[in-house]
Order: sequence, then structure tokens, then C-alpha cells
Amino acid sequence: SQQGEEDPQALSIQEGENATMNCSYKTSINNLQWYRQNSGRGLVHLILIRSNEREKHSGRLRVTLDTSKKSSSLLITASRAADTASYFCATDGVGRTSGSRLTFGEGTQLTVNP
Amino acid sequence: NAGVTQTPKFRVLKTGQSMTLLCAQDMNHEYMYWYRQDPGMGLRLIHYSVGEGTTAKGEVPDGYNVSRLKKQNFLLGLESAAPSQTSVYFCASSSNHGGRGVDSNQPQHFGDGTRLSIL
Repeated sequence: SQQGEEDPQALSIQEGENATMNCSYKTSINNLQWYRQNSGRGLVHLILIRSNEREKHSGRLRVTLDTSKKSSSLLITASRAADTASYFCATDGVGRTSGSRLTFGEGTQLTVNP
Repeated sequence: NAGVTQTPKFRVLKTGQSMTLLCAQDMNHEYMYWYRQDPGMGLRLIHYSVGEGTTAKGEVPDGYNVSRLKKQNFLLGLESAAPSQTSVYFCASSSNHGGRGVDSNQPQHFGDGTRLSIL
């Protein structure tokens, strides 16, 4: 079964609005990563948050991590049409060999309407 | 830098045929991965490698073989293609510089995929 599960499965907003996507996972993690996938392309890494961090920012992206609830959220502020893509969270598992494996969720499809 | 390059980009096979997908990375990464992506199922790990000459099974390894003879290349083979292997295949690589703990599992760099149809 998938370690990470994103919510919602699909999100449609207007340009300029904020978009929030959530990720829940089941087992303890070392870190959690968010990726973006444009249609017909590979995944692109957006941001990594360590298990000892609670919040991280990168440009218009804000990621939070709540290890007690085993959940994370990705906020995209002032969205643009170019942000239209699928967004995935990915988690490792404490105890796994370093750098060896990530488990991806099924993704949130974000559509930003001009 | 090209990053991660996958060849071919598209392929149509008949059931029972064999083929090899090639992945090449120019970032000197130790770790390489093969995933398949199917609608409604996200990315699933097929096989991975933590270094030249090593391979390991992922979540869905059956029907696939891999080889990592050179550090920069990771090959995925389908011995006898089946319609259930119709999918988009992604290769990825990552560094091993994170060590253990919270800095393990460094970001993965992906190719643009191979779209494979088995008839």
C-alpha cells in the first residue's frame, strides 16, 4: 500500500488564489519530499522537509510537517496558470538503507484557471 | 548537463517480445531507480541500485530485470512483454551524500519517461 496519500485528488482554482494540498503517511519518516509533474514530463523535486523541521519555505511554496499526525501540507501562494500540474508527496521510512527508497502517493491534480 | 536521459521515449511491442529501456545520468549519482506510473496508482518502484554492479527489487519487480554495469547507466529489461506491462516508465537518480537520519533519501532526479504499449 502507498505510504503517502494526497488529498484532495483534484483541485481547481483561479489564478491568484492559494492552493493547499495535504499528504498523510503511515510510518515514521526521516524526511518528506514534494514533487511536481507537468503533463507528459518526469517528476521535478520541489522541496524536502526533515522530520525535525515543522515548516519550510521556497519562493511561493510553503510546506508544513506534523509528525504527531503523520501529515504534511503544501501551500502554493498566488497561483499561476503555469502551476497547473500533478503534485506528489514522497516519504522514506526510518530504518531503511540511506538513500535507497521513496514511496510516492497518487498525487493531487492542480488546475489553475487563467 | 542533460540530467537523466531515457531512451526510447515511445515504444509499441507485441506480447512476448523483449526489449531494454536505457537510462543514463551525468550527475555522478550513486543511486538509480526504475518506476512505473499507471493511472490511479501513482509511482511504483520496480528495481533500484545503490551503486555500480548492485541491484535490488522494489515493490513490483516481477517480469523485469535490471543491470548496472556502469555507474551512469541503469538498464531495465522486459524478457517477455505482457499487456499488463503497458505503462509509463520513469528512471530516476539521486546522490548518496545525505548519510543516515533526517538527511537520508536525497532528492531524486527524473527522466521524462518511456511510454510503452504492449499489444
